[in-house]
Formats: sequence, C-alpha cells, structure tokens
Amino acid sequence: DAGVIQSPRHEVTEMGQEVTLRCKPISGHDYLFWYRQTMMRGLELLIYFNNNVPIDDSGMPEDRFSAKMPNASFSTLKIQPSEPRDSAVYFCASSTLTTTSGKETQYFGPGTRLLVL
Amino acid sequence: AQTVTQSQPEMSVQEAETVTLSCTYDTSESNYYLFWYKQPPSRQMILVIRQEAYKQQNATENRFSVNFQKAAKSFSLKISDSQLGDTAMYFCAFLKTQGGSEKLVFGKGTKLTVNP
Repeated sequence: DAGVIQSPRHEVTEMGQEVTLRCKPISGHDYLFWYRQTMMRGLELLIYFNNNVPIDDSGMPEDRFSAKMPNASFSTLKIQPSEPRDSAVYFCASSTLTTTSGKETQYFGPGTRLLVL
Repeated sequence: AQTVTQSQPEMSVQEAETVTLSCTYDTSESNYYLFWYKQPPSRQMILVIRQEAYKQQNATENRFSVNFQKAAKSFSLKISDSQLGDTAMYFCAFLKTQGGSEKLVFGKGTKLTVNP
C-alpha cells in the first residue's frame, strides 16, 4: 500500500489567497483526520471524518477553514482567505476500526508545509 | 479530558547506548491505547510502537520497547543500541477506546539527538 498521500508537499502563497490541501487515505480506512502542527501549539486535531461524514470539527480554528470528503478516497482542507498565522505543517492521517482490537492506529501522511507570506 | 505530559524537552545519547524517554498521562478511562510516534527532520510522523491498556505485557518492536505502568499512568519508551537514524522528535499519544471519540491526544514531544 502507498500509505496516506498528501499534496502538495510544500505550498507558498500570499496572504488573502485561497489554499487547498489534498489527501488520499489508505485504501479501506474509514476514518480520516486533519492535523496542524506549529511550534507554539504542537499537534492539533482540526477535524475528522468517519465514512466520509464529518464527526468532530471543533478544532477548526475559524470560518476561513473548511474540509470536505466527497468520497472514501479523497479529502480536501481549504483555507480562504489565508493569513500568515496559518503557516504550519498540515498532516492528514487515516485509520480503521477493527472488530477485534477496537480503534486502530492512525497512519500519517508526509504533511504539507504551508507558508503564507 | 485526557492530558499527556512529556517532561523531557530534549535528550541526547551516544550511538549504541540505551535511552529512555518518559511519558505520563491523565485519564479516568479504564481502556485505551498509547502510542509513540517518531518525527525525524523530514517531518514525517512514523508510528514506533503502540500499547493496549488491557494488555499487561509491554509492547516491543525490535530495538524499541515500552515500560507501561497502568496504575502510575506512565508509558516510557526505551531505545536500545541507539542509531544515528533515531535522531528525531518523539511524541507520546493517547487514544481512548470508548465514547465515540477518535481524538489522539499528543504530548509536546522530546527531541532526541544520537551522537556519533
């Protein structure tokens, strides 16, 4: 399996521009997570989906952030308009709930390093 | 709410020696998972090892092992025969298994440097 795939790996944009981050989870995984990592706040969960449905978006910082999962193999995280304080590494992760061992491990993608100038 | 504390912001070890990274957590749950993730300079988050709280036996993965003390709510990571490639940030994380929440709670991390 290719693991979790994220694109782009690096993004540099100017303040006010729209940014779209993309994620393809591991095939067969039914949970998808978006995290943000900064020096100040560490790793924060922004939102997660189960079977393409958003379950908890309490970590989304504000209305400028939105996430969608139109199908089981694709999700986007959009920032519009972007601000310098959005500069961070954004990770996507996926997992699956097994019937024998309960909640499974979250596997992370390589991350997207976002810089907003 | 669950919290995870890693009290050692930075540590260093000589190549081939053993090092132990500390992690404590606070929870009222009786069953849960604990994880150690490694983040090398490439920023990739890599699973190192995981422990299920209902299992008394400590998890091991090659040179990596844990000392899980459930009553003390302690979950330390031991790295044996340290290698230069072990240089990374190490994050301890907690996941509860009931109540419908899939939220991983991470510690602040320990920066480990392996010296030649």
